[in-house]
Amino acid sequence: DSGVTQTPKHLITATGQRVTLRCSPRSGDLSVYWYQQSLDQGLQFLIQYYNGEERAKGNILERFSAQQFPDLHSELNLSSLELGDSALYFCASSATPSSGGNEQFFGPGTRLTVL
Amino acid sequence: AQKITQTQPGMFVQEKEAVTLDCTYDTSDQSYGLFWYKQPSSGEMIFLIYQGSYDEQNATEGRYSLNFQKARKSANLVISASQLGDSAMYFCAMRDYGSSNTGKLIFGQGTTLQVKP
Repeated sequence: DSGVTQTPKHLITATGQRVTLRCSPRSGDLSVYWYQQSLDQGLQFLIQYYNGEERAKGNILERFSAQQFPDLHSELNLSSLELGDSALYFCASSATPSSGGNEQFFGPGTRLTVL
Repeated sequence: AQKITQTQPGMFVQEKEAVTLDCTYDTSDQSYGLFWYKQPSSGEMIFLIYQGSYDEQNATEGRYSLNFQKARKSANLVISASQLGDSAMYFCAMRDYGSSNTGKLIFGQGTTLQVKP
């Protein structure tokens, strides 16, 4: 168990809908990262938050957004869903490098299926 | 741009033997880190080992070791004494500690390892 929790584990929805994926980082970790794993694109970085602020953006679509709350949990919002958004979405967390947090610890993922 | 290349889509190894999974990387940064993750069929991502670009010694964690050859820009994972539970997808990843230093990981396409009894 990495200490990172993600809910829900599975999500099945229809095209055009909106969903919210939730992530709670390991206790004390300030950074949260979102990744998407799909068959055609592999594992891709989407977005990073550090202590409530957006820190970096990757290949995240405009239909997707995220935020990190004061208690450090994060939510990834996916809207106007398309079939191609079906993927495994991971959240990861890490401490700051100065405290030795080189590793990123991954949650179990949320498997999104868009029908 | 940073890039990770894993050229072996699939590998087989006999139980109790050692196996090397290849990883080459490309970056213009001097300061970076290299990671290996394991993804079993259940889907979770398990951190295995880390090597910093300035680390002089190759990283080791139990049966896992990282063969770091900086000049060749390679960071191969060596698994000794393979076990059936090692059957999984393995990902090599890199983060930079340079000007962006965001911590984001760039992943390779992965290698599927199957351990034969």
